[in-house]
Amino acid sequence: DARVTQTPRHKVTEMGQEVTMRCQPILGHNTVFWYRQTMMQGLELLAYFRNRAPLDDSGMPKDRFSAEMPDATLATLKIQPSEPRDSAVYFCASGPWVQGAFPYEQYFGPGTRLTVT
Amino acid sequence: AQSVTQPDIHITVSEGASLELRCNYSYGATPYLFWYVQSPGQGLQLLLKYFSGDTLVQGIKGFEAEFKRSQSSFNLRKPSVHWSDAAEYFCAVGKRDDKIIFGKGTRLHILP
Repeated sequence: DARVTQTPRHKVTEMGQEVTMRCQPILGHNTVFWYRQTMMQGLELLAYFRNRAPLDDSGMPKDRFSAEMPDATLATLKIQPSEPRDSAVYFCASGPWVQGAFPYEQYFGPGTRLTVT
Repeated sequence: AQSVTQPDIHITVSEGASLELRCNYSYGATPYLFWYVQSPGQGLQLLLKYFSGDTLVQGIKGFEAEFKRSQSSFNLRKPSVHWSDAAEYFCAVGKRDDKIIFGKGTRLHILP
């Protein structure tokens, strides 16, 4: 049963600290998404990658957030420095994609619950 | 720009009653539509999707949705809900070669 995995599942940190969240997409999926979910804003798309290349990171605060895919099996989302307003659940999702195809379904990981104090 | 509206933030139904969750989209071309469900503490799971063809789409867990182009709607239905259906439901729209846009979600509460 292929699944998207995310680590850590929970993270509590102090304001100003660096936070790194990791995601392992489903093997063979070439598109990876990072979302943030809060009560106030709902589900927000932060960034997404296709074949490891960033396609859209317009949803990400550029001064403190960064997203990368060092290889096809790992996606990372970093926050430096973290702030209390970054407290949220961060989801990674992956999906297959072929040029010219219909939008694919996305498979979500369980999320990382981040609390910044 | 494409967008999705879920007009109901919360819906409460009794167990065994029928359910309809509303979704309206704004999009200039043929939309590709999805419903996802999120159980407490979990990620989102795909319930069903519509790309083309029959406008009544069957999904998992006994859910179905109907695409109505004239009303720009893609409402989710279930004839008889179970307590385990309590969750948050997200409608989403996408287009070819692009990302999916999610609605704000509707939280479903089930009365015993």
